[in-house]
Amino acid sequence: QSALTQPASVSGSPGQSITISCTGTSSDVGGYNYVSWYQQHPGKAPKLIIYDVSNRPSGVSNRFSGSKSGNTASLTISGLQAEDESDYYCSSYTSSTTWVFGGGTKLTVL
Amino acid sequence: EVQLEESGGGLVQPGGSLRLSCTVSGFTFRDYWMHWVRQAPGKGLVWVSRIYSDGSNTIYADSVKGRFTISRDNAKNTLYLQMNSLRAEDTAVYYCSRATHYWFDPWGQGTLVTVSS
Repeated sequence: QSALTQPASVSGSPGQSITISCTGTSSDVGGYNYVSWYQQHPGKAPKLIIYDVSNRPSGVSNRFSGSKSGNTASLTISGLQAEDESDYYCSSYTSSTTWVFGGGTKLTVL
Repeated sequence: EVQLEESGGGLVQPGGSLRLSCTVSGFTFRDYWMHWVRQAPGKGLVWVSRIYSDGSNTIYADSVKGRFTISRDNAKNTLYLQMNSLRAEDTAVYYCSRATHYWFDPWGQGTLVTVSS
């Protein structure tokens, strides 16, 4: 199972919006609405921020939103804040009844 | 408060074995599937294995199939990962995570496994 494809890095200025893409295949991202997104600060455990493509857990800022089109899912962060600087990972359930993560994207807030 | 705490990591020689544990609290362990996920130093997250709530079904990533075994003891609220025939490429922080439907939440803080001679 190959990793989902994410850009290695993205950046934006405070207050701006950024989007991180996550591209898979019809056997994972495109085949199921089971894409989730995780935020991971250095040295810390990942934290769930989006599940089932576009749902936010309780306590996660509404500046985080998710969507999907075909085999590509996207995470958008609006109103960028310094605290958003982190690594972000997407994940999808697959037709093999396994899970696959993206390679991760480093977000820099300029 | 839901908590997961991994233990059992350390330095092991290539070809050696190690058993990781994940002790949970704050939720009814026997009701949930559980996962192991790993992260090599400076690299991304990689899914390793999943076990059903009653332990009746397990599945593994191809990279660990036949070498790693996931198990659980619901009476002890503990998840395990038995790792045999370890290789240098198994060096990683290993996280346990609760499976809530098809996502991972929450995660433990991880335990570092280093495979080196």
